Amino acid sequence: AQSVSQHNHHVILSEAASLELGCNYSYGGTVNLFWYVQYPGQHLQLLLKYFSGDPLVKGIKGFEAEFIKSKFSFNLRKPSVQWSDTAEYFCAGPASKAAGNKLTFGGGTRVLVKP
Amino acid sequence: NAGVMQNPRHLVRRRGQEARLRCSPMKGHSHVYWYRQLPEEGLKFMVYLQKENIIDESGMPKERFSAEFPKEGPSILRIQQVVRGDSAAYFCASSPFGGQGSAGANVLTFGAGSRLTVL
Repeated sequence: AQSVSQHNHHVILSEAASLELGCNYSYGGTVNLFWYVQYPGQHLQLLLKYFSGDPLVKGIKGFEAEFIKSKFSFNLRKPSVQWSDTAEYFCAGPASKAAGNKLTFGGGTRVLVKP
Repeated sequence: NAGVMQNPRHLVRRRGQEARLRCSPMKGHSHVYWYRQLPEEGLKFMVYLQKENIIDESGMPKERFSAEFPKEGPSILRIQQVVRGDSAAYFCASSPFGGQGSAGANVLTFGAGSRLTVL
C-alpha cells in the first residue's frame, strides 16, 4: 500500500516569503497526486492535482507543484505567500493502483504566515 | 450546487452515547467516502460506499462503528457507545465515479466536517 509523508508539521514564515512544502510517496506505479488545503474552520479544498503529462502543475491561488518521479516527490511551492495562505496543507495519493479514489493523506503541514 | 453537506458541524456526546453523522454528497455524485482526522494527525480513510453498498470498509474500527448509504437520503456514519478516543473531525467526501481499478483517481469533493467531542 502506498504511504504519503510530509516533511514538516509546522512552518512559520513572513508575508512575501517563498514557500515549499515537501511530500514523498512510496508507490512506484502510476500515480495520481493531490494537494489539498484546509483554511481555519473550513473544509478541504483541492489546490492542484497531477494525473499525467507535464510534471509541473499549476493550481489555484498561485500554487504549483512538481512531480519528480525519480525522487518520489511532489513538493508544493508558492513564490510569495500572503497572510491568507495561513492554513493546513495535505498531500494525498491513491492507497494503491486498485484503490481508485481511496486516498492516503500525509500528516499535514500547518503554515502560519505572519503579516 | 450546494457541495457536500455534513451535519451536525459540532456534536458533543458523553461516553456510552451514540453519535450519528450525516453526509449528503454533491448532486450527481453516487460515491461517498468517510475520513477521520484525529487531533494533530492527518486524515485516515474509514469507509467507501455507493448507494446501498459498502465497497471498502478497511479503515473502519471493527466494533462500534458502522456506515450506510441508503437508496434515499444521506450517508450516515454511526458510532455506538462512544469513548473519548472517538473525539475527532469526521469528513465526508464524494465523487461522481469510483475509480476502482482505473489508472487514475477522480477528485474528491470534501464537506466541512463534523467535529465530535466525547466528554
